[in-house]
Amino acid sequence: AQTVTQSQPEMSVQEAETVTLSCTYDTSENNYYLFWYKQPPSRQMILVIRQEAYKQQNATENRFSVNFQKAAKSFSLKISDSQLGDTAMYFCAFAPINNDMRFGAGTRLTVKP
Amino acid sequence: DTAVSQTPKYLVTQMGNDKSIKCEQNLGHDTMYWYKQDSKKFLKIMFSYNNKELIINETVPNRFSPKSPDKAHLNLHINSLELGDSAVYFCASSPMAVSTGELFFGEGSRLTVL
Repeated sequence: AQTVTQSQPEMSVQEAETVTLSCTYDTSENNYYLFWYKQPPSRQMILVIRQEAYKQQNATENRFSVNFQKAAKSFSLKISDSQLGDTAMYFCAFAPINNDMRFGAGTRLTVKP
Repeated sequence: DTAVSQTPKYLVTQMGNDKSIKCEQNLGHDTMYWYKQDSKKFLKIMFSYNNKELIINETVPNRFSPKSPDKAHLNLHINSLELGDSAVYFCASSPMAVSTGELFFGEGSRLTVL
């Protein structure tokens, strides 16, 4: 079975500081994709960042970056200079080739002013 | 223009009723999905459909059935609604028959069964 684990149900961070959300996954596949999605109170699912497993370089999107450790099957999300608008549920997702996307249980992030 | 749109956004109904949620995507994508998000925010895939093949998650009761009139639409029909069906249902689409990239989500439809 391919599973995605987010071990932090809730986290908080002060505005302008940095926070890291953890994600691990279990798979026997060698090629796959990893994603972080954000779900604000509006409940819309928004893609934050994606990573292809065959790329060693960690993906970066403005204030968001990942630490992808393929051997350890770890895919953490770092949010720098946190903003109030970053308050949301964050879901780690795993998509093997030829199969459907699976999500972790989510981490509820609160950015405090 | 909304890329993936679902209607209705909110639905409140009684146990035992039959209801449908509609989904349309204007992205020209090949594959569409239905996900269920329960009260604990856990997202679970229900169906994926790519015009030729319907893949059903084996844990989904047969009271749930997807119907695709064309490539741009994948509606969700639910018969004999139960209290446990209360959840937010998300429609999504992707550009390829296999999940190699981003999923584009609708805004979700919150179903409440009384």
